[in-house]
Amino acid sequence: DAGVIQSPRHEVTEMGQEVTLRCKPISGHNSLFWYRQTMMRGLELLIYFNNNVPIDDSGMPEDRFSAKMPNASFSTLKIQPSEPRDSAVYFCASSAPGQGDEKLFFGSGTQLSVL
Amino acid sequence: AQSVAQPEDQVNVAEGNPLTVKCTYSVSGNPYLFWYVQYPNRGLQFLLKYITGDNLVKGSYGFEAEFNKSQTSFHLKKPSALVSDSALYFCAVRDLRDDKIIFGKGTRLHILP
Repeated sequence: DAGVIQSPRHEVTEMGQEVTLRCKPISGHNSLFWYRQTMMRGLELLIYFNNNVPIDDSGMPEDRFSAKMPNASFSTLKIQPSEPRDSAVYFCASSAPGQGDEKLFFGSGTQLSVL
Repeated sequence: AQSVAQPEDQVNVAEGNPLTVKCTYSVSGNPYLFWYVQYPNRGLQFLLKYITGDNLVKGSYGFEAEFNKSQTSFHLKKPSALVSDSALYFCAVRDLRDDKIIFGKGTRLHILP
């Protein structure tokens, strides 16, 4: 398996623009997590899905952030409109807790810079 | 609500010496506990986990961690540090009630040659 695949690896955009981050989890994994990493806050959980259903989005900073998982092999995190304080590394991770594998497998992350 | 604390932002250890990276947690019920490592410009990699059983858990690259229920701690240890162990280390806890996984802020480990 190719692992968790995130795209793009780097995104530079201007304040006010819409940003869409993409994630393909490992095939067969039924849990998907979105995290944001910054120096100040460390690794924050934004939202997670079980079987494509959002379970907890309490970590989403504000209404500008939204996430979807239309099927088991794809998820998006959208920021509209983007602001400079959204600059961070965004990680997607998947796991298969119902199959005896509770650990998370992380993608390589998307480095987002909002100018 | 569950929480994870890593009290040290940075730990410096001489090569060959034992190392400890501290982690304490708070969660309702029995926890699943994890350690991950992050190298520069990379995603997090799994090191080890505690689910149940023996309190001393062995993982990748010679690392181990000790689960202490009374102190709600899960400290990461290695008997003899290598320069290549220098990285950012994260402790995480899974709440079994809802499968939510949260991480500590991370501890940067510097192994000095």
